Amino acid sequence: AQKVTQAQTEISVVEKEDVTLDCVYETRDTTYYLFWYKQPPSGELVFLIRRNSFDEQNEISGRYSWNFQKSTSSFNFTITASQVVDSAVYFCALSEVLSSNTGKLIFGQGTTLQVKP
Amino acid sequence: ETGVTQTPRHLVMGMTNKKSLKCEQHLGHNAMYWYKQSAKKPLELMFVYSLEERVENNSVPSRFSPECPNSSHLFLHLHTLQPEDSALYLCASSQDRAGKGETQYFGPGTRLLVL
Repeated sequence: AQKVTQAQTEISVVEKEDVTLDCVYETRDTTYYLFWYKQPPSGELVFLIRRNSFDEQNEISGRYSWNFQKSTSSFNFTITASQVVDSAVYFCALSEVLSSNTGKLIFGQGTTLQVKP
Repeated sequence: ETGVTQTPRHLVMGMTNKKSLKCEQHLGHNAMYWYKQSAKKPLELMFVYSLEERVENNSVPSRFSPECPNSSHLFLHLHTLQPEDSALYLCASSQDRAGKGETQYFGPGTRLLVL
């Protein structure tokens, strides 16, 4: 069965620390997509990144970086030099095909990140 | 105009009321979704519409009734809800092509409280 596990329920760091959010997934598909979303207190899920299963290159976007390792079925997210504005709930998600036309996302439980000044 | 809008943002209703949640996407997408997010629970997919046809209904109680009149609009009609239905209801849309895991873009959600 498709499954996403975010073992860290809550993480608290002090501003400027680096922090890594873990994501482990299970899938029977050979082609799949992985996502990270950020949910600030306002509630809206903000898309951060989408990776396909054939592209294992790490990606960096400003202070954000992602480490995709197919061998360990992990897609971890690192925030460098964290800031108070990074405080949010972060969700990892995995794609699942529903039909020939559409798919759905399987979400992990989310990791609440608190960055203290 | 932001990508995905939802109204109302907050809703308080009694168990005997009937209300509707509205979602509108301005991204030209062809698939729309309703999710429920309760406290301390992961996001639960409720309904999926692709090209205005319902593709999935995740064993949702009949007191929730979706409607997708066109590819830009999605409604969730609520009637005789229970207090445990209090949650954040999120709408999302995507441009689905052959189920290739396209990115879903979310609205701000409706916070529902059932008294």
